[in-house]
Amino acid sequence: AQSVTQPDIHITVSEGASLELRCNYSYGATPYLFWYVQSPGQGLQLLLKYFSGDTLVQGIKGFEAEFKRSQSSFNLRKPSVHWSDAAEYFCAVGALIDSWGKLQFGAGTQVVVTP
Amino acid sequence: GAVVSQHPSWVICKSGTSVKIECRSLDFQATTMFWYRQFPKQSLMLMATSNEGSKATYEQGVEKDKFLINHASLTLSTLTVTSAHPEDSSFYICSARLRTSGSNEQFFGPGTRLTVL
Repeated sequence: AQSVTQPDIHITVSEGASLELRCNYSYGATPYLFWYVQSPGQGLQLLLKYFSGDTLVQGIKGFEAEFKRSQSSFNLRKPSVHWSDAAEYFCAVGALIDSWGKLQFGAGTQVVVTP
Repeated sequence: GAVVSQHPSWVICKSGTSVKIECRSLDFQATTMFWYRQFPKQSLMLMATSNEGSKATYEQGVEKDKFLINHASLTLSTLTVTSAHPEDSSFYICSARLRTSGSNEQFFGPGTRLTVL
């Protein structure tokens, strides 16, 4: 069965510290991978995506993610968080063979940034 | 580019009435549009997938007669919640897939908060 797991429901990090959000997937087909961020009461904004090629992907707002096929992971990182990074983060996976482009979302990780 | 709008951003209605939510791709043509529902502090749950000019495909457990989806053009999809009840109160988010895109990238609207009294 296909699944996306974000093991951490909630993470608290100090401003200026590094951040890593975990995402593991189980997919039978070659996956497309995404990280989205959602501020309260808002829609989703794409941070970065991986389709193929270089497994280290750079995104907006200083985020990056690394696709590790052997570990079925696509963890999101930021070297130094800002207070504005406090939000909900969702990992999403799509299948290359899915012509409609449906995505499956993880449960999300709530990031709290402390002074 | 790739902006998706939703209207209204929030709506309050009485139980038993119907509510229509619009989703528009403002600067691109969308092959496919998706409707999601999100409960507080939960993930997005896909409700249905709609392609322009054809019937929507609903996910298991989603009542198609209650959540009517119309995808009349490549830039507009509507979700109508019929005979709304308090349990339908939720945050509804639409997304659109770029017509010329070979990828699965979706662009999301800002969401519509529905409250049914």
